[in-house]
Amino acid sequence: AQSVSQHNHHVILSEAASLELGCNYSYGGTVNLFWYVQYPGQHLQLLLKYFSGDPLVKGIKGFEAEFIKSKFSFNLRKPSVQWSDTAEYFCAVNAYSGAGSYQLTFGKGTKLSVIP
Amino acid sequence: NAGVTQTPKFQVLKTGQSMTLQCAQDMNHNSMYWYRQDPGMGLRLIYYSASEGTTDKGEVPNGYNVSRLNKREFSLRLESAAPSQTSVYFCASSEALGYNSPLHFGNGTRLTVT
Repeated sequence: AQSVSQHNHHVILSEAASLELGCNYSYGGTVNLFWYVQYPGQHLQLLLKYFSGDPLVKGIKGFEAEFIKSKFSFNLRKPSVQWSDTAEYFCAVNAYSGAGSYQLTFGKGTKLSVIP
Repeated sequence: NAGVTQTPKFQVLKTGQSMTLQCAQDMNHNSMYWYRQDPGMGLRLIYYSASEGTTDKGEVPNGYNVSRLNKREFSLRLESAAPSQTSVYFCASSEALGYNSPLHFGNGTRLTVT
């Protein structure tokens, strides 16, 4: 079965520090990859997505992610975090599972706390 | 543009009671979903509807039923609530059940079963 692993449960950073959140998936076929963000008390919102083409994807609010197919990874990065980036981040993988079906799997999430 | 609207926002039930969570989207999306979110578990798919008139089980369907009332609305019903169903429930929609369809989420329903 397809799975998505997010390496860190909780990351604590000071403002202006650089961020990298890991995401690995287990699926050998073609995938579409997403990062969603959930600010405290809010619903999930799409941060960025990868479908094809340039493996370095830029999203909103200065976030970017790099798809490394050989490593089955889609890590999220931001050069300098702000207090307002405090949120929970979810990696998600959408894969074709045969017979016209698609399976979207979420990772368990990484909480990011940014200290002013 | 409201997007995905869920009601109610909060609900407290006693064990054995029933209730229906309502969800409506105004983006003309074909596919709709119900997830539950529990601490440390991420999001788990309960049921989904690829298009109007179809529904399918997700990862954790036991204890739930759904109805795709029309293209806009997708409801989730708990027939006999149990404490294990205490969770935050999110409805979501997407253009289609396919590769390149990001999900749009509602604001969630926080359900407590005592």
